[in-house]
Amino acid sequence: KAGVTQTPRYLIKTRGQQVTLSCSPISGHRSVSWYQQTPGQGLQFLFEYFSETQRNKGNFPGRFSGRQFSNSRSEMNVSTLELGDSALYLCASSFRVGQETQYFGPGTRLLVL
Amino acid sequence: AQSVTQLGSHVSVSEGALVLLRCNYSSSVPPYLFWYVQYPNQGLQLLLKYTSAATLVKGINGFEAEFKKSETSFHLTKPSAHMSDAAEYFCAVSENSSASKIIFGSGTRLSIRP
Repeated sequence: KAGVTQTPRYLIKTRGQQVTLSCSPISGHRSVSWYQQTPGQGLQFLFEYFSETQRNKGNFPGRFSGRQFSNSRSEMNVSTLELGDSALYLCASSFRVGQETQYFGPGTRLLVL
Repeated sequence: AQSVTQLGSHVSVSEGALVLLRCNYSSSVPPYLFWYVQYPNQGLQLLLKYTSAATLVKGINGFEAEFKKSETSFHLTKPSAHMSDAAEYFCAVSENSSASKIIFGSGTRLSIRP
């Protein structure tokens, strides 16, 4: 069974631009969560989606948004990029919301210049 | 409120030596506890989890952790370190199994000396 895939793996953007990251969960998994990892703040929860609905949201500004499609694939978008948005963005999937075992993708490393 | 403290941002042990990575948690309710490993340029891989069953939890790659309620600890151990164990390890706590409630520690980088 294929694991969680994230595209692209690396991305360079400039301040003010917007970016869209993609996550394909493990086949059969319907819950997708997103995390931001930075050296300063560590791992922080962004959002959790299930059945195309956002179930939970972390403490991030409105510039961070996401969505989930009917095939459970998810995208997250960051508008008006800031230097501080440079991070590793990790996606994790599980069979359902509230299932404690999440499977993580390799992440997308975003650099904002 | 929940919190996780990992003691030591960097631990170095010799190959074949005992690995001990420390994690203390704070939770107002019986917690779910996790250890994840992250290899360079990769995502997180679940090593093991505690969900109120046995207090000694065995995970993958020879790792295990013991839940000690009296000490609010969930330290990760491995009897004999291998070079391939070099990675960053994260302890995490949750009051339920929802992703939004998982709080990660700051991580401990494990180095293995030949």
